[in-house]
Amino acid sequence: GAVVSQHPSWVICKSGTSVKIECRSLDFQATTMFWYRQFPKQSLMLMATSNEGSKATYEQGVEKDKFLINHASLTLSTLTVTSAHPEDSSFYICSPFQPSGTGSFGYTFGSGTRLTVV
Amino acid sequence: AQSVTQLDSQVPVFEEAPVELRCNYSSSVSVYLFWYVQYPNQGLQLLLKYLSGSTLVKGINGFEAEFNKSQTSFHLRKPSVHISDTAEYFCAVSDRNAGNMLTFGGGTRLMVKP
Repeated sequence: GAVVSQHPSWVICKSGTSVKIECRSLDFQATTMFWYRQFPKQSLMLMATSNEGSKATYEQGVEKDKFLINHASLTLSTLTVTSAHPEDSSFYICSPFQPSGTGSFGYTFGSGTRLTVV
Repeated sequence: AQSVTQLDSQVPVFEEAPVELRCNYSSSVSVYLFWYVQYPNQGLQLLLKYLSGSTLVKGINGFEAEFNKSQTSFHLRKPSVHISDTAEYFCAVSDRNAGNMLTFGGGTRLMVKP
């Protein structure tokens, strides 16, 4: 149980274009979704927290107009990096959360998306 | 706000030797504790977790950790490492009073040498 599918696993895009990353919980419903960013040789930094059907809460320093998060259903959340620039190149990881979760106490992680902006 | 400190950014060790990866956090009130492993270009895999009960927690791949409330520590140990244990290890704390948000430590790179 608690399977998460994150796509794409890697993407290369031109500067100024937008990229959408999908995160699906395949066998459970996630009321909360955490989105993290990880730069090379660094830890995971929380970007935003979203609850199904409501607006995301962004961490300080994260531009909400640049990183659009949609959590329209309990099994799907998307992160769209708009007008991407080389400094947005990073590893993005989603983490669906179940309040009454099993195994990981409700924390699961996608396999990550390597974004490279050229 | 919760903070998590992993004291060693890199730990080199020879194969079959014991290892301890250190983790300290800022507050012991209403927290859950986790250790994750990350291989290159992959997501996180749970090694073990402390929610309540026995302070000695056993996880996968022969790892264990001990919750020490007085020292606010949750160090990870393995009595004999393998080459395949080479990876990045993250300690994380969930603050039940902060929306279940996970706070990660800076990570420790375990490098197992033959």
